[in-house]
Amino acid sequence: AQTVTQSQPEMSVQEAETVTLSCTYDTSESDYYLFWYKQPPSRQMILVIRQEAYKQQNATENRFSVNFQKAAKSFSLKISDSQLGDAAMYFCAYRSVEGGSEKLVFGKGTKLTVNP
Amino acid sequence: EPEVTQTPSHQVTQMGQEVILRCVPISNHLYFYWYRQILGQKVEFLVSFYNNEISEKSEIFDDQFSVERPDGSNFTLKIRSTKLEDSAMYFCASSEQTGFNQPQHFGDGTRLSIL
Repeated sequence: AQTVTQSQPEMSVQEAETVTLSCTYDTSESDYYLFWYKQPPSRQMILVIRQEAYKQQNATENRFSVNFQKAAKSFSLKISDSQLGDAAMYFCAYRSVEGGSEKLVFGKGTKLTVNP
Repeated sequence: EPEVTQTPSHQVTQMGQEVILRCVPISNHLYFYWYRQILGQKVEFLVSFYNNEISEKSEIFDDQFSVERPDGSNFTLKIRSTKLEDSAMYFCASSEQTGFNQPQHFGDGTRLSIL
């Protein structure tokens, strides 16, 4: 079974600075999807960024980018120019491609605080 | 932007009672999911539902649980004979299709407290 580990329960960053959230995963599959979701205090989980495992190029979405290291099974999220609105829980998630499973496997989350 | 809506936001129920959690997925979505998050733990997959039947379920989703799409808009999770350990946040999600370009959209969640 696949597992996702987020080793940082909490992180903090100064406004306008850059922060990197860590995520590692364990799988025997060669193709899969990886996601970062953001859950602000309002509770709704919002997709931030996604990566296909067979694509070597790291995904970027505006101030959000990932560092995908397939061999190391690492998928970190970098937030540049942090804003107060970035404060939230961030969840890393894995989804299998093989076998037709649709479920997302989540990490425990990292609580990000942005200091003004 | 269309959203997944869940009601109620907080449900308090006596142990042993039945509870129904309600979700209205995004209108053109065809795939529906329930997840739960026990306080301090990971978000866990419960079940996925497509074409009026369960397409996948986890080991958590035992006979105590059932899902239903009673009409064209609602998607419900029923928990029979609730236990203290059922206390958790329950998230509903939907997607237009499965696949990388069809991410799951989540609702705000229902906080279920079993007394």
